[in-house]
Amino acid sequence: QVQLVQSGAELKKPGASMKVSCKASGYIFTDYSIHWVRQAPGQRLEWMGWVNAGDGDTNYSQRFQGRVTITRDTSAMTAYLELRSLKSEDTAVYYCTRRPRGHITYFEFWGQGTLVTVSS
Amino acid sequence: DIQLTQSPSSLSASVGDRVTMTCRASQNIISYLNWYQQRPGKAPKLLVYSASTLQSGVPSRFSGSGSGTVFTLTISTLQPEDFGIYYCQQSYSGPFTFGPGTRVDIK
Repeated sequence: QVQLVQSGAELKKPGASMKVSCKASGYIFTDYSIHWVRQAPGQRLEWMGWVNAGDGDTNYSQRFQGRVTITRDTSAMTAYLELRSLKSEDTAVYYCTRRPRGHITYFEFWGQGTLVTVSS
Repeated sequence: DIQLTQSPSSLSASVGDRVTMTCRASQNIISYLNWYQQRPGKAPKLLVYSASTLQSGVPSRFSGSGSGTVFTLTISTLQPEDFGIYYCQQSYSGPFTFGPGTRVDIK
């Protein structure tokens, strides 16, 4: 069965960088894209960007442009989210999620979430 | 960016009730609208995609409708496990925005 397993919680200081991983199993990794969505405490979900696991192509929300990098390692079947210059407002649960093949975007499988806390 | 609003922001209903919630988009998104349920401390779960297509494995008491700018999610007979926050999400154009959610409590 499809599974997305994320790395553990992180505590970061303002100005630092974070890197969260998302290990996929149960399907052909390179056939799908992985998206990242975050949720600050008590807030709505916020889409950040995606990586095409096949060719590595990426697309980011303008809100995070310049601070975010999404990559993948096909041999490890793992996608990564890196966010730099962290601020307290980046404290959130970060989710990876898989989009189905085809032209319609929705998120059918989700990782368990990774809590990143930014605090001095 | 396309803005989504949801109403009501919260509701409390009894088991067996029919529950309806609404999502409104700031522009025409045709039928590129998805619905998710999120229980406390858990990842969202896809319920409906493309406005009205029920995701595999989701109980048939859930249904979605609408097109253009107004969409609804209906739970025909509320069950105890249906508590949580329901989010709509548009996939018409990036960034793929989510609504603020409707919180459903069981009386």
